Amino acid sequence: GEDVEQSLFLSVREGDSSVINCTYTDSSSTYLYWYKQEPGAGLQLLTYIFSNMDMKQDQRLTVLLNKKDKHLSLRIADTQTGDSAIYFCAEIGRMLTFGGGTRLMVKP
Amino acid sequence: DTEVTQTPKHLVMGMTNKKSLKCEQHMGHRAMYWYKQKAKKPPELMFVYSYEKLSINESVPSRFSPECPNSSLLNLHLHALQPEDSALYLCASSQEGTRQANTDTQYFGPGTRLTVL
Repeated sequence: GEDVEQSLFLSVREGDSSVINCTYTDSSSTYLYWYKQEPGAGLQLLTYIFSNMDMKQDQRLTVLLNKKDKHLSLRIADTQTGDSAIYFCAEIGRMLTFGGGTRLMVKP
Repeated sequence: DTEVTQTPKHLVMGMTNKKSLKCEQHMGHRAMYWYKQKAKKPPELMFVYSYEKLSINESVPSRFSPECPNSSLLNLHLHALQPEDSALYLCASSQEGTRQANTDTQYFGPGTRLTVL
């Protein structure tokens, strides 16, 4: 079955890099996603990676995929206070399966 | 444009009321979704419409009734809800839906915050 896991909480200082980790179990997933949710808002698609890629970079965001270990990470460079939010990783199979979300807190 | 809109933004209703949530997208997507999200939890899938037909119902109680009048619109009719149904209701859309489920990126709306008294 599908199961996606994330750590609950991450705290960083403004200007540092943030790394949010995720493990998944469905090896047939073709795409893996990162969504951002600010308080009281919907889910914003941040980025996604195709399963045959190892890395994808998009401005301050870097996604790394280790398919052998079924491990996905999101690195945010130069983290800002506006990056404070909950970050969900998700895999797509029969349906979109979310991890529990990682709350990122950025301290000034 | 990757915008999904939802109305209303907030809704307060009693257990005997009937209300509807609305969702709209103009991206030409053929699949639309309803999710329920409780505080500090990930979204949970409720319904999927693909090409205007209900393709997935995740054992949702009948007090929630979805409707897809056309490929751009999705409604969720609410009747006789319980306080535990209070949550953020999210709508999403994707290009193909269940026909191409494992390659289909979903775009979410801002949600409707529902409170049932």
